[in-house]
Amino acid sequence: AQKVTQAQTEISVVEKEDVTLDCVYETRDTTYYLFWYKQPPSGELVFLIRRNSFDEQNEISGRYSWNFQKSTSSFNFTITASQVVDSAVYFCALSEARDDKIIFGKGTRLHILP
Amino acid sequence: DGGITQSPKYLFRKEGQNVTLSCEQNLNHDAMYWYRQDPGQGLRLIYYSQIVNDFQKGDIAEGYSVSREKKESFPLTVTSAQKNPTAFYLCASQTQGKANYGYTFGSGTRLTVV
Repeated sequence: AQKVTQAQTEISVVEKEDVTLDCVYETRDTTYYLFWYKQPPSGELVFLIRRNSFDEQNEISGRYSWNFQKSTSSFNFTITASQVVDSAVYFCALSEARDDKIIFGKGTRLHILP
Repeated sequence: DGGITQSPKYLFRKEGQNVTLSCEQNLNHDAMYWYRQDPGQGLRLIYYSQIVNDFQKGDIAEGYSVSREKKESFPLTVTSAQKNPTAFYLCASQTQGKANYGYTFGSGTRLTVV
């Protein structure tokens, strides 16, 4: 069975600090896809990144970076030099290649304090 | 601009009433999904449809019904059988067989039972 665990329910950091959101997943498939979504206070989920199981290269996009490690079944998300606008709920998600559905973790609520 | 429109943004229901949440997309996506979000619970799948006139139950379908008469539309009815309907409801869509690229989400409907 597939599962996504985000152990951090809520995190608060001061602006300009770096913060890492953890994500651990479980799947029996060798081909799968991992995602991160951001949910700002407005409610809509915004797609941030997709990573397939064959690509373990880390990804960097501006202040955002993602560390995918198959050996530990983790797909962690780091925000560098955090800003107040980064305050949101962040969801990690998993989709197996044979399935059209995406399974979401319970989310991590991130507070960036000015 | 292409996207998903959910309406209304806020909805109030009296106990014992059925209510219907609207979801319309102009992305030409084949598959559509309904998720329910409760505080601390992440997103849970209610129903999904991969093609017109066909749909499948998700993990928490009891007390809900859907229809898919048009490709663009996937309305969700919350029936009186749903004992705890107060939640945030999100509609999503994707191209058929492309789950691995991730969903596009609507902005959600917040339903409150009064």
